[in-house]
Amino acid sequence: GAGVSQSPRYKVAKRGQDVALRCDPISGHVSLFWYQQALGQGPEFLTYFQNEAQLDKSGLPSDRFFAERPEGSVSTLKIQRTQQEDSAVYLCASSRQGFNQPQHFGDGTRLSIL
Amino acid sequence: QKEVEQNSGPLSVPEGAIASLNCTYSDRGSQSFFWYRQYSGKSPELIMSIYSNGDKEDGRFTAQLNKASQYVSLLIRDSQPSDSATYLCAVKGDTGFQKLVFGTGTRLLVSP
Repeated sequence: GAGVSQSPRYKVAKRGQDVALRCDPISGHVSLFWYQQALGQGPEFLTYFQNEAQLDKSGLPSDRFFAERPEGSVSTLKIQRTQQEDSAVYLCASSRQGFNQPQHFGDGTRLSIL
Repeated sequence: QKEVEQNSGPLSVPEGAIASLNCTYSDRGSQSFFWYRQYSGKSPELIMSIYSNGDKEDGRFTAQLNKASQYVSLLIRDSQPSDSATYLCAVKGDTGFQKLVFGTGTRLLVSP
């Protein structure tokens, strides 16, 4: 189990509920990324952490989306007051420090909002 | 115009043939280029990275980069049915930005 681990694998919530998605990166990986992948589309960037610092959150679609990585390891993506358009696969990726380091992805959390 | 463009396919090739997957990008400052393979319901898996003009070979895979034409391609030789998947092209921009920008992916079908 040396890969990126995400939980839960599947999440069903009613519109208006809050959800929290967890990502456990590869040990030693400084950089952590969240992406959103809609059906039939490529992943779209949400936010990026280097250690505990959130250096780029330009992809978060609204202020209902919030991410944290308080100890520089595990990260949580929280979505408040979920909407149907939030239904997607949420992918977490991690990489070593360095610009050309490749990102390695977890299996994602498939979120369905009813 | 999308930042990274790929033909969505499907691209159908017979087993043993060469599959050619293409990608164009709009940001001339892009520095790093990646090909990921994604099976249905699975996460993207990195198969190739390329950073300078020319060809890079790894087993049956060859990535080709032409920065002047803003074009990157992936060749898969001796295609196998197990290569059937969606291939995502991803581009990283200037040094200050770590995010990957993905194309929509090309679906490859290799028939036995």
